[in-house]
Amino acid sequence: GESVGLHLPTLSVQEGDNSIINCAYSNSASDYFIWYKQESGKGPQFIIDIRSNMDKRQGQRVTVLLNKTVKHLSLQIAATQPGDSAVYFCADVLSRGYQKVTFGTGTKLQVIP
Amino acid sequence: EADIYQTPRYLVIGTGKKITLECSQTMGHDKMYWYQQDPGMELHLIHYSYGVNSTEKGDLSSESTVSRIRTEHFPLTLESARPSHTSQYLCASSDPPGLASTDTQYFGPGTRLTVL
Repeated sequence: GESVGLHLPTLSVQEGDNSIINCAYSNSASDYFIWYKQESGKGPQFIIDIRSNMDKRQGQRVTVLLNKTVKHLSLQIAATQPGDSAVYFCADVLSRGYQKVTFGTGTKLQVIP
Repeated sequence: EADIYQTPRYLVIGTGKKITLECSQTMGHDKMYWYQQDPGMELHLIHYSYGVNSTEKGDLSSESTVSRIRTEHFPLTLESARPSHTSQYLCASSDPPGLASTDTQYFGPGTRLTVL
């Protein structure tokens, strides 16, 4: 069946370094992809999204890259800060009347001060 | 930041009790969703709604029910709670996107339910 999976369950990064969180998806018909950040005890928070007809999108300190050939998505966080520590989920979205959102299992980012 | 609220934030109850988890949003969004999430795991859609008087079951089978009488309100009810219902329940809402944007879901803080 359809799935969205993350390569690494936990990622430890030194404060100030760049972080790269990877995600693989299986549904080639997805319309767009979203990265969410979930801090402990809170709901997921939207970070950035990218449409399937794009290969790169930049936000504030974050960049998402989409490689449709290998069905791979990555989130790059520049100059990682302690406040970036959280679980990051990628999700692929199929819009057919309602959104069919498939979430991955999440990668825990730990920032080492 | 999105204006979507869930109450209670934490709930511990005994088996067999009827409970209702509240979700409200002040953004006027037509679409609302309920997800179930175990700690550190992915989110699973259990219910969604296109608008008032519209409710549908999601991908994950659930013994809960929902109602959508008002646009801003999407409560989830468990008629008889069991330990297997212990989980975190997340509510979300979204609105149809404009040409340049995607239909992003905004999440509430969640309700952590424990059934003893």
